Amino acid sequence: QSALTQPPSAAGSLGQSVTISCTGTSSDVGGYKYVSWYQQHPGKAPNLMIYEVTKRPSGVPDRFSGSKSGNTASLTVSGLQAEDEADYYCSSYAANNFVVFGGGTKLTVL
Amino acid sequence: QVQLVQSGGEVKKPGASVKVSCTASGYTFTNYGIIWVRQAPGQALEWMGWISAYNGDTKYAQRLQGRVTMTTDTSTNTAYMDLRSLTSDDTAVYYCARALPGGLIQAAFSSWGQGTLVTVSS
Repeated sequence: QSALTQPPSAAGSLGQSVTISCTGTSSDVGGYKYVSWYQQHPGKAPNLMIYEVTKRPSGVPDRFSGSKSGNTASLTVSGLQAEDEADYYCSSYAANNFVVFGGGTKLTVL
Repeated sequence: QVQLVQSGGEVKKPGASVKVSCTASGYTFTNYGIIWVRQAPGQALEWMGWISAYNGDTKYAQRLQGRVTMTTDTSTNTAYMDLRSLTSDDTAVYYCARALPGGLIQAAFSSWGQGTLVTVSS
């Protein structure tokens, strides 16, 4: 099980939008609708932001949205706020009952 | 509210074993699966494995096969992760997390423990 590929960093200005990509294979991201995204602030546990590619758990602002095309999933954060500065991880169900995470993306709000 | 409370930090010598606990409250324990994830200092999240709290079925990451065992105690609503033959590469924060109702295939984990730092050092 290889880790999913994310850019190490992303940045956007307050109020702008930023998109983070997550690339896998047909055995994980491309093969299933089960991609999730997590936000992690320093020293804290991860927090589920998106599941099943596009769904938001209750309490997650609608500024966060997810999508997928082929083997690449994306997380878009619109109307960037200072508190959105964090690490973001994608994950996917993978063939034979495995779960794989991405390498993480550090989002900086300028 | 759903809460997962993990055991405290551990310091272990190379070659030793560590057992981390994760006690759940606020929901019916046997209705949801639990995963274990670890994060080495400054590194990404790494999925370690899954256990069904309903029937004890497990699935472990290939790179940890043979060194990790996950169990549950339904009488105390507690999940355990046992990792053997520790090396310095196992130094990490270990998290437990509860799955959404869809189970392992849904691969989404909405409630997390606070994390347990395991340090392996001679």
